[in-house]
Amino acid sequence: QQQVKQSPQSLIVQKGGISIINCAYENTAFDYFPWYQQFPGKGPALLIAIRPDVSEKKEGRFTISFNKSAKQFSLHIMDSQPGDSATYFCAAGEYGNKLVFGAGTILRVKS
Amino acid sequence: NAGVTQTPKFQVLKTGQSMTLQCAQDMNHNSMYWYRQDPGMGLRLIYYSASEGTTDKGEVPDGYNVSRLKKQNFLLGLESAAPSQTSVYFCASRSVGAGELFFGEGSRLTVL
Repeated sequence: QQQVKQSPQSLIVQKGGISIINCAYENTAFDYFPWYQQFPGKGPALLIAIRPDVSEKKEGRFTISFNKSAKQFSLHIMDSQPGDSATYFCAAGEYGNKLVFGAGTILRVKS
Repeated sequence: NAGVTQTPKFQVLKTGQSMTLQCAQDMNHNSMYWYRQDPGMGLRLIYYSASEGTTDKGEVPDGYNVSRLKKQNFLLGLESAAPSQTSVYFCASRSVGAGELFFGEGSRLTVL
C-alpha cells in the first residue's frame, strides 16, 4: 500500500519552463523528505532533501516546497533543461530510517 | 570510488529456478537495503539490514530471502523464481544517522 502519492506520472515541459512534481504523505511521524533523480540504466541519486523545520529549500534550479499541515511537498525545477529529462522519485520517512518512495514521474524536457 | 556494486547486471531465469543477487558497498555503511522497481509502482522495499548480522522485512518480502554475514555485503535470494519477480532490483546503503541512500546501478531480472 502506497503511503506516498506522487503526481503526475509523466510530464513534458519546454526548455526553459518550470517543471512541478507533487507528493503527499500520510504518516505524521515522517520527518525527512528527499527527492531522487534517476537516469535510464542508472540507480537513483539524491537530488535535494528537506526536513519539516523549513517550508522551502533551494539548491540551484531545484526547489522543494513543504506544507506540513497539508502533508504535501513538491519539487520545482526552474529553467528546465533537456539534461533534466529523467525519472524523479519523492520519498518520505523518519530520518535515518527506511524510506517509502512515490511511484515516480517521468520528465521530458523538449528542446 | 566503487560505491555500491551489484552483480549480475542482467539475468534470465526460468520459473522455479533459484539465484542470488549480490551487493557490495565500500563506504563502511551500517545499513543496507534491497528495493525492486516496477513501472508505475516506484521503489518498493523488499528487505533491509540495519547492521551486520541483522535483517528485517520490508513491504514486499514474500518469495525472497536475504543474508548479511559481512558488513560490506548484502545478498538477496530467490528460492523459486516466479514471473511476478521480473523486475529491476536495486541495492542501497546508508551511513548511521544519515539521510542519504546510495544506490547501485541495478540488476535486471527476467523470469520466464
